[in-house]
Amino acid sequence: AAGVIQSPRHLIKEKRETATLKCYPIPRHDTVYWYQQGPGQDPQFLISFYEKMQSDKGSIPDRFSAQQFSDYHSELNMSSLELGDSALYFCASSFQRLSYEQYFGPGTRLTVT
Amino acid sequence: AQSVTQPDIHITVSEGASLELRCNYSYGATPYLFWYVQSPGQGLQLLLKYFSGDTLVQGIKGFEAEFKRSQSSFNLRKPSVHWSDAAEYFCAVCNQAGTALIFGKGTTLSVSS
Repeated sequence: AAGVIQSPRHLIKEKRETATLKCYPIPRHDTVYWYQQGPGQDPQFLISFYEKMQSDKGSIPDRFSAQQFSDYHSELNMSSLELGDSALYFCASSFQRLSYEQYFGPGTRLTVT
Repeated sequence: AQSVTQPDIHITVSEGASLELRCNYSYGATPYLFWYVQSPGQGLQLLLKYFSGDTLVQGIKGFEAEFKRSQSSFNLRKPSVHWSDAAEYFCAVCNQAGTALIFGKGTTLSVSS
């Protein structure tokens, strides 16, 4: 069965640079969620989208923005990167905002040097 | 606000021994509860979930969990632990708006031979 695809899987950036993470949901899923997991931490909800509109917002820094496109894939844009942004970023998807039926992708590991 | 507490940061169990990981939640209504497992540097794998009905839930890899409303608990159990079970375990609850998952801080399981 098709799963959530995230790209890239690994990304190394320098401080103050910009990064873009991509998420391709499971086919027919219209809701995408982004989570950030710092080293040794639990995953923290950042933001979610349903039908290309922002559905909910968590602890997403102002330096980050995200959007969902017409094909339901989503991109998380991160600017002015800081060392503290180094983390594993998970994307999850579900059908019609049924967040209790989320399927997680493998994550993108971002390292900021 | 909803929250999840995993009282044990680190647990060590002998191989073949039984396991119980504790999870307590704070939630106003009937919660949607989850247990995830994460190996180092890897993604989140869903072990089991509880929505309603039978309070004893069976999951993958021989895990089960019991929902106890009176104790606001959703403890994870396994009768006989294998060395491959060593990992980080996260309990999670769906937030009240149903738009995201809230994770506990996690419990690290070590398995001794």
